[in-house]
Amino acid sequence: EAEVAQSPRYKITEKSQAVAFWCDPISGHATLYWYRQILGQGPELLVQFQDESVVDDSQLPKDRFSAERLKGVDSTLKIQPAELGDSAMYLCASSLGGLDEQFFGPGTRLTVL
Amino acid sequence: GDSVTQMEGPVTLSEEAFLTINCTYTATGYPSLFWYVQYPGEGLQLLLKATKADDKGSNKGFEATYRKETTSFHLEKGSVQVSDSAVYFCALYRSGAQKLVFGQGTRLTINP
Repeated sequence: EAEVAQSPRYKITEKSQAVAFWCDPISGHATLYWYRQILGQGPELLVQFQDESVVDDSQLPKDRFSAERLKGVDSTLKIQPAELGDSAMYLCASSLGGLDEQFFGPGTRLTVL
Repeated sequence: GDSVTQMEGPVTLSEEAFLTINCTYTATGYPSLFWYVQYPGEGLQLLLKATKADDKGSNKGFEATYRKETTSFHLEKGSVQVSDSAVYFCALYRSGAQKLVFGQGTRLTINP
């Protein structure tokens, strides 16, 4: 069964360092999402791609976060510099688009010390 | 803006008990409604959905009915099992916004 892959699963870093997360969506899914899930809360959308284009990045803290999906397939989310408040689970999801089901990866748990 | 409110957790039940997890929403227009489940160490999985008023979504013994008059989408199961222990998220999708908005999640623990 096709799955969304994410790596690493866990990342511990010190504040002011740079971190990067990778996501490989289900083959053929044009829409890719990055969510942040703070402990005890629901996921919050950070950025949405349609193919290689950003559709929505209104909640992405652009002074320190960046995301790319250069060839419209896999994607990278970067944080530079990391802050203590960035500690969270970062989830990637993909779908065919619109109301079609979003399939989630296992997430990357980030701890900033 | 759009929002989803779920009942406070954690919820602890005995096996074979009846489950209700309350969910209410605020949104303009006619959103679609979803329940997602997150098992320990895994990503979110779609459990069920309803796309219009009075629709009932169902899967794995779970049910939820889209009630527009009360803006609710409560999750129910008649007899829970230990394997149902997980975190459950209610969410809405409004085509104008084109994104899922999640509630805060409800942790469910089922004791044998």
